[in-house]
Amino acid sequence: NAGVTQTPKFQVLKTGQSMTLQCAQDMNHNSMYWYRQDPGMGLRLIYYSASEGTTDKGEVPNGYNVSRLNKREFSLRLESAAPSQTSVYFCASSESRELTQPQHFGDGTRLSIL
Amino acid sequence: AQSVTQLGSHVSVSEGALVLLRCNYSSSVPPYLFWYVQYPNQGLQLLLKYTSAATLVKGINGFEAEFKKSETSFHLTKPSAHMSDAAEYFCAVISGGTSYGKLTFGQGTILTVHP
Repeated sequence: NAGVTQTPKFQVLKTGQSMTLQCAQDMNHNSMYWYRQDPGMGLRLIYYSASEGTTDKGEVPNGYNVSRLNKREFSLRLESAAPSQTSVYFCASSESRELTQPQHFGDGTRLSIL
Repeated sequence: AQSVTQLGSHVSVSEGALVLLRCNYSSSVPPYLFWYVQYPNQGLQLLLKYTSAATLVKGINGFEAEFKKSETSFHLTKPSAHMSDAAEYFCAVISGGTSYGKLTFGQGTILTVHP
């Protein structure tokens, strides 16, 4: 089925370890997003990419880096994981070339930092 | 600054009863408003969106929401709850007078449906 695919689905890391979360969409969408979801706080935008080759910070970018590898793929990297980054991470996409509401979400990556 | 507040982190209804999930926004310019639904272990799905064309917006799965500027509200309703409606619901807003900009989410409301 067409959509947004995230890998891995679950991961446990130790403090200080690094990790890359992968995201790919097959809808030929221009914009891609990374959100984190924490209980009672809704979703918060980490980074977004409005088109291939461009990335911009969202509201909580500290501790993260992103790469828009091509139109399909948008990865999120934690260089030195911290317990405060324990969260559920969602990748999303939209057809628009500008920052707007996401149209499709992946099923999430559940990340625990010990 | 734009923000959105969902009143009630948990709502419980009986199957067949009215569903009412409350959302209030703060924005100095006309907002664009959205409701999303999240089923367990899944990503969010867009239920409906308000883009100033009509104040009563119909979405998927029998849900609708009414934009009330005087009350700065965008409450989500469904006349008759089904067991399959049990999920978490998020209200969200883009302010700035256009459909482009950062989407700000509310805290979420978990809907429980009892048989």
